[in-house]
Amino acid sequence: GDSVTQMEGPVTLSEEAFLTINCTYTATGYPSLFWYVQYPGEGLQLLLKATKADDKGSNKGFEATYRKETTSFHLEKGSVQVSDSAVYFCALGGGSQGNLIFGKGTKLSVKP
Amino acid sequence: DTEVTQTPKHLVMGMTNKKSLKCEQHMGHRAMYWYKQKAKKPPELMFVYSYEKLSINESVPSRFSPECPNSSLLNLHLHALQPEDSALYLCASSPMVGGSTDTQYFGPGTRLTVL
Repeated sequence: GDSVTQMEGPVTLSEEAFLTINCTYTATGYPSLFWYVQYPGEGLQLLLKATKADDKGSNKGFEATYRKETTSFHLEKGSVQVSDSAVYFCALGGGSQGNLIFGKGTKLSVKP
Repeated sequence: DTEVTQTPKHLVMGMTNKKSLKCEQHMGHRAMYWYKQKAKKPPELMFVYSYEKLSINESVPSRFSPECPNSSLLNLHLHALQPEDSALYLCASSPMVGGSTDTQYFGPGTRLTVL
């Protein structure tokens, strides 16, 4: 079945460091791919998405490119801030039942 | 506006209580979802409503009873819960079920504690 594999954390970085969180997927068909962010004590917020191969999603300095050849959707940010500390979920969508398939989540901590 | 609202924000209940969680969206979305999220885990799908009809029930115990009174509202009725049901309950909505581009928008969740 469809699945998402996401690098496990926690990831600890210093402010202004470069961030990469790896995400790979297994799917039949052509799913949409998402990154959601969850700040402590809150719900999930859509960070960015891509709907077809080679699409790049971007938001708030974060980027991810839908790579069909490597079945990947890695999240990157050039310079992280303390306020980026959160849990990041990679997700695969577009199933006939409408469900999102989530990775296990990666906790990011950014130190000043 | 991509807002989904949920009430209450926190709920503490005993195992014999009956309570309800409420979710509301005014984006004209026709699909609404309930997820359960345990600590340090991703959300798990519980129910899906499509055009106000239950389309998916992911083998959820009957002590959880969903209801969709209209296209903007989604309720989750709780009865005789167990302590292991303590979790963050998330509501989400999307324009429709299925399809390759439908993004789900999540509410802030209800933090449920069962004593």
